[in-house]
Amino acid sequence: SQKIEQNSEALNIQEGKTATLTCNYTNYSPAYLQWYRQDPGRGPVFLLLIRENEKEKRKERLKVTFDTTLKQSLFHITASQPADSATYLCALSPNTDKLIFGTGTRLQVFP
Amino acid sequence: DTAVSQTPKYLVTQMGNDKSIKCEQNLGHDTMYWYKQDSKKFLKIMFSYNNKELIINETVPNRFSPKSPDKAHLNLHINSLELGDSAVYFCASSQARAGGAGELFFGEGSRLTVL
Repeated sequence: SQKIEQNSEALNIQEGKTATLTCNYTNYSPAYLQWYRQDPGRGPVFLLLIRENEKEKRKERLKVTFDTTLKQSLFHITASQPADSATYLCALSPNTDKLIFGTGTRLQVFP
Repeated sequence: DTAVSQTPKYLVTQMGNDKSIKCEQNLGHDTMYWYKQDSKKFLKIMFSYNNKELIINETVPNRFSPKSPDKAHLNLHINSLELGDSAVYFCASSQARAGGAGELFFGEGSRLTVL
């Protein structure tokens, strides 16, 4: 069956460290993979998109990798801050009409 | 100047009632969506419309009926509400179709509680 899996346990890290979140998928061959941030009581907000022919994408303190062989994307936040605390969702496109979301990983950055 | 706005933000109702949630986007996007986020925070697509045409209906019970009067509006009507319908419903829009590298812009959500 098709699955998108993110670590369901919260990730707790200290301010200033690099947070690394994992997104694994099975039985999909997506052309694109996206990452979103969701704060409590708010809608998801788009962060980054990476294409299947791109290995890595960066935006300020964010970095995303996409390994189509391992069927995995890693999302890194460098020099993390308490304001980065949120739930991070990965999403992929199994076809041209849909965006399917993973279950999300909650990140907590402590001062 | 909200890009994607949904009303109401909160909705508490009894089982068996009928309710509607409205969504409007001012981004000029062609595609709009309804997603349901359950208590475990899993975000699941329900419907997608492109320029008023239904393009995705994800095996949602026919008690749920979306309507798109124009490409800036997508409403969701739910008949005979059940306890399991309690969730947060998110409206979203995108310029390109979602699978075509279209990033989604989400509304703030409508929390539906069925008693």
